[in-house]
Amino acid sequence: QVQLVQSGAEVKKPGASVKVSCKASGNNHWVMHWVRQAPGQRLEWMGWINAVNGNTKYSQKFQGRVTITKNTSANTAYMELSSLRSEDTALYYCAREGPIAVPFDYWGQGSLVIVSS
Amino acid sequence: EIVLTQSPGTLSLSPGERATLSCRASQTVISSYLAWFQQKPGQSPRLLIYYASIRATGIPDRFSGSGSGTDFSLTINRLEPEDFAVYYCHQYGTSPWTFGQGTKLEIK
Repeated sequence: QVQLVQSGAEVKKPGASVKVSCKASGNNHWVMHWVRQAPGQRLEWMGWINAVNGNTKYSQKFQGRVTITKNTSANTAYMELSSLRSEDTALYYCAREGPIAVPFDYWGQGSLVIVSS
Repeated sequence: EIVLTQSPGTLSLSPGERATLSCRASQTVISSYLAWFQQKPGQSPRLLIYYASIRATGIPDRFSGSGSGTDFSLTINRLEPEDFAVYYCHQYGTSPWTFGQGTKLEIK
């Protein structure tokens, strides 16, 4: 059974960076996406990473501010968001891409990031 | 980017009734790569439907999806108490992948 376990809540000041982790159980051949949900806003896709070849793709909205990485031996994906502002306060989810044509079949529990001075 | 607009914003129904939720895309969704998710308070989204009409593993057959191009719908027959939640449509055919704003299904 696949499980995605994310790191805990973080409180950051504007301008700082945050790094959220997502540890996967099961096999290490995955494509992991990051999706965020700000209060009262729709879900927002940020980007993905392929565990096999390390390829990444980012939403243009976050290009330059987001970096998605992996640690293969730890079977863990990471999402780092820099130059934080109050609008980045949100619940950040990792979600695994399923087989062909199946999006986000497994989700992490979410990591709350609060940006406040 | 493809904007997904869901309607209605809130749907009030009673258990046993049928719910029909709509999702309209601003451009054609490539290859019908349209999914539906259910989210309950304090929980992560749960995949219900993908490829517009295929139920995900373990999803009851009272959930069905249909549509193509720019117009899609999710139908829930014989509503159960556990079905009252927020539902999101999602397109994953064109980057950036996008989500609708959600439809809240509440008990009448």
